[in-house]
Amino acid sequence: EAAVTQSPRNKVAVTGGKVTLSCNQTNNHNNMYWYRQDTGHGLRLIHYSYGAGSTEKGDIPDGYKASRPSQENFSLILELATPSQTSVYFCASGETGVNTEVFFGKGTRLTVV
Amino acid sequence: GDSVTQTKGPVTLSEGTSLTVNCSYETKQYPTLFWYVQYPGEGPQLLFKVPKANEKGSNRGFEATYDKGTTSFHLQKASVQESDSAVYYCVLGAASSSFSKLVFGQGTSLSVVP
Repeated sequence: EAAVTQSPRNKVAVTGGKVTLSCNQTNNHNNMYWYRQDTGHGLRLIHYSYGAGSTEKGDIPDGYKASRPSQENFSLILELATPSQTSVYFCASGETGVNTEVFFGKGTRLTVV
Repeated sequence: GDSVTQTKGPVTLSEGTSLTVNCSYETKQYPTLFWYVQYPGEGPQLLFKVPKANEKGSNRGFEATYDKGTTSFHLQKASVQESDSAVYYCVLGAASSSFSKLVFGQGTSLSVVP
């Protein structure tokens, strides 16, 4: 079965600190995504990747970097965390192609204090 | 840009009653439309998708018809169960992309009580 695993599941960070959220997929999908989920906004795309070595900006990339060192792994990096980045973050993977199904992890709850 | 607007929640229904979650979308492209469902503690998962206008998608008793004329994609179920309690997302897929760039509505939280 398709599997996307995120770590950590919960994280408390201090303002100005660096945060790295990790994601691993065993689906052998080329495409991977990072979304954040906030009440009233649904899910919004932060960064995505077409494959190892590639990262692209999504709709709300400011304050975030991404890294795709391999087919399986995709990280989201907050170099200088701010309280406005308190949210639930979801990683997802999907096959190449238009409008194919996307498979999500269980999410990481990040609180920046 | 592309956008999706859906019924504001939360919605509370009794078991056995019918559900409608309204969804309207805006896009200049030819979209594929999806409904995703999210259970507590989980990520969203695909409920069903409809790639063509005027076609119906369905799964687990839920259904929706993609109406290009009214740009609507309302989710319906004739008789809800307690296990249907979840957050439902109407999702727009942009056809011009080479990958699944999905635009999510704000979500509708459904609670079904016995």
